[in-house]
Amino acid sequence: AQKITQTQPGMFVQEKEAVTLDCTYDTSDPSYGLFWYKQPSSGEMIFLIYQGSYDQQNATEGRYSLNFQKARKSANLVISASQLGDSAMYFCAMREGVSSFNKFYFGSGTKLNVKP
Amino acid sequence: DTAVSQTPKYLVTQMGNDKSIKCEQNLGHDTMYWYKQDSKKFLKIMFSYNNKELIINETVPNRFSPKSPDKAHLNLHINSLELGDSAVYFCASSRAGLDGKRANYGYTFGSGTRLTVV
Repeated sequence: AQKITQTQPGMFVQEKEAVTLDCTYDTSDPSYGLFWYKQPSSGEMIFLIYQGSYDQQNATEGRYSLNFQKARKSANLVISASQLGDSAMYFCAMREGVSSFNKFYFGSGTKLNVKP
Repeated sequence: DTAVSQTPKYLVTQMGNDKSIKCEQNLGHDTMYWYKQDSKKFLKIMFSYNNKELIINETVPNRFSPKSPDKAHLNLHINSLELGDSAVYFCASSRAGLDGKRANYGYTFGSGTRLTVV
């Protein structure tokens, strides 16, 4: 089974509107971390936000928030007030356990286009 | 100071050549990785080293050989390059969570090396 599933290959959003990028995950480990990364056309991978499996509250970082629904195993990224510079690929990722040995599992990505 | 630096940023080479990509991190992380991102943007792990020791070795051709002289460096050497090796290669580093309940230490990525084999 896929560890991380992103079902939206591409999304469009109007500038200044909010957008939700979907991510579901699969793990039986009680300790895990969920991450979102942004990859603009320049190619670098930029860390956006993190949610721990034991965190009681949804993570927020500026205009980014993570809608964490543990029972549904979903970790959707919400971008509020979209900006043109938000146009990029977005990857959801998961790390099981706490050891730095553990690899990340990445989703296939969602390409977000922000329209002016 | 760049946290994870990899060189070169671009590499164009002919089939059959041998090339290396270097990676260095100054974050004090204990684990380093190589990922390959294909033309469809899918990120696939290749190798992971922890304190110079190979931890993860996914199904990667023997032509790819990682070398970690110390825990701050993880280089990737590729022999007999093939057209299918064309991709973006990312180096990354990370460390473990602190209190045993948090897997919050994500990756810090290098800027990527775009390898084109012609």
